[in-house]
Amino acid sequence: KQEVTQIPAALSVPEGENLVLNCSFTDSAIYNLQWFRQDPGKGLTSLLLIQSSQREQTSGRLNASLDKSSGRSTLYIAASQPGDSATYLCAVRTGGFKTIFGAGTRLFVKA
Amino acid sequence: GAGVSQTPSNKVTEKGKYVELRCDPISGHTALYWYRQSLGQGPEFLIYFQGTGAADDSGLPNDRFFAVRPEGSVSTLKIQRTERGDSAVYLCASSPGGNNEQFFGPGTRLTVL
Repeated sequence: KQEVTQIPAALSVPEGENLVLNCSFTDSAIYNLQWFRQDPGKGLTSLLLIQSSQREQTSGRLNASLDKSSGRSTLYIAASQPGDSATYLCAVRTGGFKTIFGAGTRLFVKA
Repeated sequence: GAGVSQTPSNKVTEKGKYVELRCDPISGHTALYWYRQSLGQGPEFLIYFQGTGAADDSGLPNDRFFAVRPEGSVSTLKIQRTERGDSAVYLCASSPGGNNEQFFGPGTRLTVL
């Protein structure tokens, strides 16, 4: 059974700091991994999608990496801003059609 | 273009009642997903549609939950004999195909009193 874990559960950093969010999964047989952000009381906004054949994806200040063999993904945020404050979720698409989410990392960037 | 929309945004009902939650996916998206999210948790997969058919309904918790997508676009999640434990935010997502990026709607907050 696929399980997705995100560490840390919460993180507070000063503005301008570079940071890394971690996601681990127990079964390496995945189709893709997607990172989302969720603002309080809102739906999810897609940030990056990494297919199983890819190693990383970049969008602006965000870079996501994928290491299937070790069951890990990281989301790197450069030069963090207060507007980056949100919950960040990773999700893996399994060999069926299920998408399994982690519980998220709550990020607070202090001005 | 328009994103995924869900109605209603909030639904309050009494224990034992029947509810329907609606999802309008992005036009042209063939894949549609339903999830539910409890406070402080990530979304929990319920069901996946490819076109009109439910390709994977393994996440539906019991037979009180049912979903349809009769014309391959709009989907309705139906919950019979609601229980207090059904209270959650129900999220819908769509994608151009089964292995593509998922786009989420704002969710329907269901409260069962």
